[in-house]
Amino acid sequence: GDSVTQMEGPVTLSEEACLTINCTYTATGYPSLFWYVQYPGEGLQLLLKATKADDKGSNKGFEATYRKETTSFHLEKGSVQVSDSAVYFCALSDVGGGSNYKLTFGKGTLLTVNP
Amino acid sequence: DTEVTQTPKHLVMGMTNKKSLKCEQHMGHRAMYWYKQKAKKPPELMFVYSYEKLSINESVPSRFSPECPNSSLLNLHLHALQPEDSALYLCASSQGRTGYNYGYTFGSGTRLTVV
Repeated sequence: GDSVTQMEGPVTLSEEACLTINCTYTATGYPSLFWYVQYPGEGLQLLLKATKADDKGSNKGFEATYRKETTSFHLEKGSVQVSDSAVYFCALSDVGGGSNYKLTFGKGTLLTVNP
Repeated sequence: DTEVTQTPKHLVMGMTNKKSLKCEQHMGHRAMYWYKQKAKKPPELMFVYSYEKLSINESVPSRFSPECPNSSLLNLHLHALQPEDSALYLCASSQGRTGYNYGYTFGSGTRLTVV
């Protein structure tokens, strides 16, 4: 079946530091890939997405590139802010194998950015 | 309107109570989902409705009963819950099969406590 593996953290950084959160996946079909962010006490927000190999998703200074050869979708940001403190989930959606629109999530990575 | 609205935001209920969670979207999305999220864990899929018909039930206990009265509304009826059912309940929607490409829009959730 489909699965997503991401570094679990927690990750603690100082403001303006560089961020990388690793995410790799296995899928039976040709999945779309997503990063969701969850701020404390809130629901999930779509941060960025990519639907085919070599696509780069980007939003709010965050980027991730769909790498089919390494089955990876690592999240990066060049300079984090305190307001980026949240839990980040890597996820995939695969219509192959009868998955029928389901989102498969990684376990989440807690990011804390200190001033 | 690009939101999924969930009510109530917080709910405390006894084990013998009956209550309902409500979810509403006006984006024309034809797939709607219920997820359960325990603390420090990723969301777990409970139910999927596609074009107002239940298409996936992830072996959820019968004390949880979903209902989709129309294309904009999704309810989750709760009865005889257990304390371990305490969690954040998230509703999401997607443009049917294109949720595969465009992602899912989540509500901010209902935080349920069973006492």
